[in-house]
Amino acid sequence: EAQVTQNPRYLITVTGKKLTVTCSQNMNHEYMSWYRQDPGLGLRQIYYSMNVEVTDKGDVPEGYKVSRKEKRNFPLILESPSPNQTSLYFCASSLWRGTPYEQYFGPGTRLTVT
Amino acid sequence: KNEVEQSPQNLTAQEGEFITINCSYSVGISALHWLQQHPGGGIVSLFMLSSGKKKHGRLIATINIQEKHSSLHITASHPRDSAVYICAVRRGGGADGLTFGKGTHLIIQP
Repeated sequence: EAQVTQNPRYLITVTGKKLTVTCSQNMNHEYMSWYRQDPGLGLRQIYYSMNVEVTDKGDVPEGYKVSRKEKRNFPLILESPSPNQTSLYFCASSLWRGTPYEQYFGPGTRLTVT
Repeated sequence: KNEVEQSPQNLTAQEGEFITINCSYSVGISALHWLQQHPGGGIVSLFMLSSGKKKHGRLIATINIQEKHSSLHITASHPRDSAVYICAVRRGGGADGLTFGKGTHLIIQP
């Protein structure tokens, strides 16, 4: 089954404790992306990657890191989480043909930073 | 002003009605996406458009590049269409990220 998986689905952590949210896709997609969704602000792109070792900042990259060492995986790293990073996070993947095609979304990770 | 504006923000309609959701953008784009977010939170991609019109079942999406406007239409609406509908644009000029509208919350009453 074609899918994007994220782990963990729910996470409560404390300020400053490094964490990683994993994202994996089994569709051999070139394009992968991380988004956060906040009430009143909607979805905003954090980082995206057009292929292995190629990443770029989205609209809200501050406080986040990513890496793309393998085509199927695109982890999101919060080195020193802060309460303003409490949010619902989505990973997505798509084909890349000069533009991102139909996006396949993961189920979301709800993160609370206290 | 947001780069991507959707209207209306909220829409309640009766089953069977024809629904139109609008998306206007202020930047040059190379593609526009329509997404559906279910009440449980899951997000599904409905359409990707760069010109013209696309149809899938009861859903129709159109885009007018010159007017910087796209519409999503739902014919013969059904309560299961109740969801948040989100417009997203890929900016032109070599930028490869996506910018989103804030969504339209649609409720279809039986």
